[in-house]
This record gives sequence, C-alpha cells and structure tokens, in this order.
Amino acid sequence: AQSVAQPEDQVNVAEGNPLTVKCTYSVSGNPYLFWYVQYPNRGLQFLLKYITGDNLVKGSYGFEAEFNKSQTSFHLKKPSALVSDSALYFCAVRDTGTASKLTFGTGTRLQVTL
Amino acid sequence: DAGVIQSPRHEVTEMGQEVTLRCKPISGHNSLFWYRQTMMRGLELLIYFNNNVPIDDSGMPEDRFSAKMPNASFSTLKIQPSEPRDSAVYFCASSFTETFYTFGSGTRLTVV
Repeated sequence: AQSVAQPEDQVNVAEGNPLTVKCTYSVSGNPYLFWYVQYPNRGLQFLLKYITGDNLVKGSYGFEAEFNKSQTSFHLKKPSALVSDSALYFCAVRDTGTASKLTFGTGTRLQVTL
Repeated sequence: DAGVIQSPRHEVTEMGQEVTLRCKPISGHNSLFWYRQTMMRGLELLIYFNNNVPIDDSGMPEDRFSAKMPNASFSTLKIQPSEPRDSAVYFCASSFTETFYTFGSGTRLTVV
C-alpha cells in the first residue's frame, strides 16, 4: 500500500524567509511524487512533480522540492516566502507498480506573515 | 481548455434526499477520479475510472454511494439517501497520462 505523511499541520514563516514543508512517503515500488496547493474555497492546483531524473525539481511560483530516496522524503521548499503563498499544501504519491491512483497526505497549512 | 468542470458548486440538501454530483473531465483525458475532502479524513479517493470503466471503488464508503461514467465526457457521483456525515467537498480529477492530474473546483455538499 502507498501512503504519505505530512508531519506538520501548520508551518509559520515570515515573509522573505525560506520555507520548508515536509513530506515522507511509503511505496512498494518506485514513486511518482506531487505537490499541490489549495487556496480557500478553491480546487487543488498542481505545483510540481518528481517522476525520474534530477532529484531537485522546480515548479510553479518559485517552489522546488528535493527527492531523497534514502530518506523517502520529498520536502517542498522556497527560498523567499510571500504572504500570497499562504495556503494549504498537499503532498501526493503514486506507486509506479500499481494503478493510477494518487494518495494524498493530510495537508500542511502554510501561514506567511509580514 | 475549461479544465475539469464540476456542478453544482454548492449543494444543500436534507437528510434522506438523493444527491447527484456531476463532472466533465478534460477532453482527451482517459482517467477520472472522485475524491472527498473533510477536516477529519483529509482527501480520500472514492473511486476512479479508466476509459470509462471503474477500476477501483474500494474507497466508496458504503452502498449509499454510487458512481457512473456513461461516456468519456461525463461522470456522476450519487448519494442515496444522503446523511449529515456525507457533508464534505467532493473533487473530481482527470488525467491523460499517469503523471499529470487536473482537479476541478469541487462541490461543497451540506446535508442538514
């Protein structure tokens, strides 16, 4: 079975500071990993994904994530946070050895303050 | 492209009534997913279809829930009878490869 853990319910960061939102995963095969963002009363918007290749993945709005196979992690990062980054962030995994379904973490609320 | 289109955006219904949620996937996408989002349980996959065929419905909570995909451009999720604990946001998503998924804006269901 595939699973995702987001250990922090909320992350608080001051604008201009770097941010990290943590994600670890568990799959039986090789993972496809995704980050999505959800703004209030909106759907999920795709940020970035890791499929294969370079472990550092760059995505939308200046976000990036690093795939670490040994630690089974895929933490989301941004060098300089903006107040407008405040939202709910979801990590998701798909096991390449199984069918197409994405399994999501419980979400981390990012709060960026001035 | 208009993206994944869900209707209605909001639905308020009384306990015991039938509720039907609708989804139009992106044209050309061959997989469709129904998710439910609640505070307590987060995002749960209810069912997904590939080429209009249900592949995995193990997430459907009980027999009151049913989903259909009569053609490549339309899917429904039906709850009959509805209960207050079904109150949630229901998302539909579609994909054309197994590495890119697009979500709709969701239907917020309130059962009173």
